[in-house]
Order: sequence, then C-alpha cells, then structure tokens
Amino acid sequence: KNEVEQSPQNLTAQEGEFITINCSYSVGISALHWLQQHPGGGIVSLFMLSSGKKKHGRLIATINIQEKHSSLHITASHPRDSAVYICAVRSNYGGSQGNLIFGKGTKLSVKP
Amino acid sequence: GAGVSQSPRYKVAKRGQDVALRCDPISGHVSLFWYQQALGQGPEFLTYFQNEAQLDKSGLPSDRFFAERPEGSVSTLKIQRTQQEDSAVYLCASRLAGGYNEQFFGPGTRLTVL
Repeated sequence: KNEVEQSPQNLTAQEGEFITINCSYSVGISALHWLQQHPGGGIVSLFMLSSGKKKHGRLIATINIQEKHSSLHITASHPRDSAVYICAVRSNYGGSQGNLIFGKGTKLSVKP
Repeated sequence: GAGVSQSPRYKVAKRGQDVALRCDPISGHVSLFWYQQALGQGPEFLTYFQNEAQLDKSGLPSDRFFAERPEGSVSTLKIQRTQQEDSAVYLCASRLAGGYNEQFFGPGTRLTVL
C-alpha cells in the first residue's frame, strides 16, 4: 500500500466547475504539500500546510491531521488549470532531513 | 530571480552508456534532493545532500547510480551503464537549511534510454 494515496487518478471537468482532489496518507508527517506539474516536468509548489486551511486565489487546501487527509479545491476552474496535481508529505522520519513522499498525482483536464 | 536549474533538459542515451545530469540549486540553499519520476508516477526520493555531505542515499536504485556535490552547490547525478528501466524524469530540488522549509524544484531532466 502506498504511503500517500490520491483520488481520483484522472479528472475531467467543464470550465467553471468546482473541483476537489483528495489525499490520504498513512505516515506521521510534519507538513503536507500540494504541487502542480505541467507537461514538460516542472513542479511548482502551491501550498505547504501542517494544519487547517490555506487559500490562494481560486485554490483552497485543507488538512485534517487526525484523519490524515487533505483536499485541494479549485473554484471556477479554467482550462489553464489543466495539469497534474501531486500531494506530497514531509515525513517525520529522518529528523530535519524532510524527505518528501509523493502521491501518484491527479491528472486534471478542464474543457472549455 | 534564479530558481533551480537542471541540464540537460532532455537526454537520449543508448543502453550501456553513462550519463551525467546536472543540478544548479538556488544560491544559499544548503539542502539538495534528487528524485526519480517514472512515467505516470509520482516522484520518488533518490538521495539527499546537506552542503557537500551526502546524508542519505537510501533511494538510489542500484550501484550504477552515483551522486556528488563536491563544493556544496552544484550537484551531479551520474548513471553508469544505463538500462531501459532508468528512463524517467530526474528532478532536483533545493531548500534552505531546516526540514520545515519549502523545497523548490527544477524543471527536471527527461532521460530516455533506448
């Protein structure tokens, strides 16, 4: 079983729809990251959070530490949001090293 | 502002060739990570440097993989006698000291082994 599970694997939405991507993890963590990866490989960090909720523009990320679950929401989705969204956790293992353990990603396609 | 850069961006190698992938981290970033991302998968940890010291190489898949960061800045990931299963995107990330700081990723090197 993967330590970080994302759902769904693939998601197709119409422009304007509200989108939710889920992430569950099984290890102890010090932080959780939501990352965006466009074709070509480059990864951009969207959020880093360890509790509660963060909002940036149309993006909202929440985390429930007790339930070991996080969600990424996109409001008023747009075709330019099409990308792979990756959940990654910073495990407690290794002290200050801060290795990231990644989910497999959710491929989002927003149709105009 | 300069982010993390990697070169080459794309590399095609014949099976059995040696390859060297370069990572230029953000200036002043003490920590440097290498990750391997197979097609359709999330990245997986390969190795970690703090300055010039390689503190964790537990993710390197075989002894054909070797990484170095001799002066604590630029890092090179070398793969000897490449195999088809080495085909992947190799990502480098750097971070300020302290595990609580955010990692910044480079664009990756896409390696294809024929």
